Amino acid sequence: NAGVMQNPRHLVRRRGQEARLRCSPMKGHSHVYWYRQLPEEGLKFMVYLQKENIIDESGMPKERFSAEFPKEGPSILRIQQVVRGDSAAYFCASSPRWHTGFNYGYTFGSGTRLTVV
Amino acid sequence: KQEVTQIPAALSVPEGENLVLNCSFTDSAIYNLQWFRQDPGKGLTSLLLIQSSQREQTSGRLNASLDKSSGRSTLYIAASQPGDSATYLCAVKDGGANSKLTFGKGITLSVRP
Repeated sequence: NAGVMQNPRHLVRRRGQEARLRCSPMKGHSHVYWYRQLPEEGLKFMVYLQKENIIDESGMPKERFSAEFPKEGPSILRIQQVVRGDSAAYFCASSPRWHTGFNYGYTFGSGTRLTVV
Repeated sequence: KQEVTQIPAALSVPEGENLVLNCSFTDSAIYNLQWFRQDPGKGLTSLLLIQSSQREQTSGRLNASLDKSSGRSTLYIAASQPGDSATYLCAVKDGGANSKLTFGKGITLSVRP
């Protein structure tokens, strides 16, 4: 039972290019969350998705950033026209739909480290 | 708006010492609290999760406590080892079971041999 899989692990983009980050949740998990960790900062929530639905995008920058979680395939975090300030570690977490009995915490992936040059 | 604070930002201790890492949060109406470990350049590993109705959780040499009314949690590490060196993150979940986590900035622990 593989954990949360993120790829690529490292991504280098030139300013103005597009970055696509992929996240495959744990088997049986239907909820996906994206977080960003800037240098010297804590992890900040970006967006929460279920299959084909964005539930909470209150942490997403208003421009250039978008996320999707299609019916089939991984969740994608897309950053258009990247700038140096987008350089960060982007983490994906997943959780099951039902939290029966015990509260389930999130399971995090290893992250994608984006460097904009 | 929930805010999570972890002080100090860094801590260095000799091997074998028992230590306490502190976490405070501003809104006591939390759903649960989770402690994570992050090694340099790596992802997050969940250490302990405390439900809002619980006071503490234990796993091996780790013990986490929760005092909701005062907005505090502590992570106790017994008999620290160099392998415990990492950044320890505290995160709270507000609202429902599937709501977001609010993280502190973490405490970077260094255990000297």
